[in-house]
Amino acid sequence: DQQVKQNSPSLSVQEGRISILNCDYTNSMFDYFLWYKKYPAEGPTFLISISSIKDKNEDGRFTVFLNKSAKHLSLHIVPSQPGDSAVYFCAASALDDYKLSFGAGTTVTVRA
Amino acid sequence: GAGVSQSPRYKVAKRGQDVALRCDPISGHVSLFWYQQALGQGPEFLTYFQNEAQLDKSGLPSDRFFAERPEGSVSTLKIQRTQQEDSAVYLCASSRLASEQYFGPGTRLTVT
Repeated sequence: DQQVKQNSPSLSVQEGRISILNCDYTNSMFDYFLWYKKYPAEGPTFLISISSIKDKNEDGRFTVFLNKSAKHLSLHIVPSQPGDSAVYFCAASALDDYKLSFGAGTTVTVRA
Repeated sequence: GAGVSQSPRYKVAKRGQDVALRCDPISGHVSLFWYQQALGQGPEFLTYFQNEAQLDKSGLPSDRFFAERPEGSVSTLKIQRTQQEDSAVYLCASSRLASEQYFGPGTRLTVT
């Protein structure tokens, strides 16, 4: 069963505008959430993370928001740049369990 | 660079052949993970090592899959009697304890 879901397989956004990627999870034991970015023929690269004790974490152009009651998180990228075009994976892990559960990914295309 | 490396990058095997996939983690990383990524999906957990100890192998799909990390550094994932459904990208990741995982570029396995 898919415990982490990314319901939008793709997203197209104009350069300079905001990209918003969404992720839902079903396992209430998840307490740590991450976003990874992946270019073709490369492995996923860690982008940003958030612990369940927070509802927001910001790093430069990237902000992750967590809504525990809704079991929902989102990644905001602002402003979007052409180099942001990639597949973005949402991932989660439970307390004392190091393995990650991934969503299926969202392909972001930033148009010039 | 000092990232995670994997070899070979591409492997074509005939059905029934055995294959061995190698992972060189980041030096000093205690934790090592193997994931399997099918086309269009997110990575799925296979197994986890802490140093040389295999602490979790719950994701290995069958007894044809075997992983080892005898000296707590390099790891090998072996698949015996490969089947077409084994075709996927196999990703290795390493991390310090309770820290974000760093992924290698993966090995794309095609079983014909």
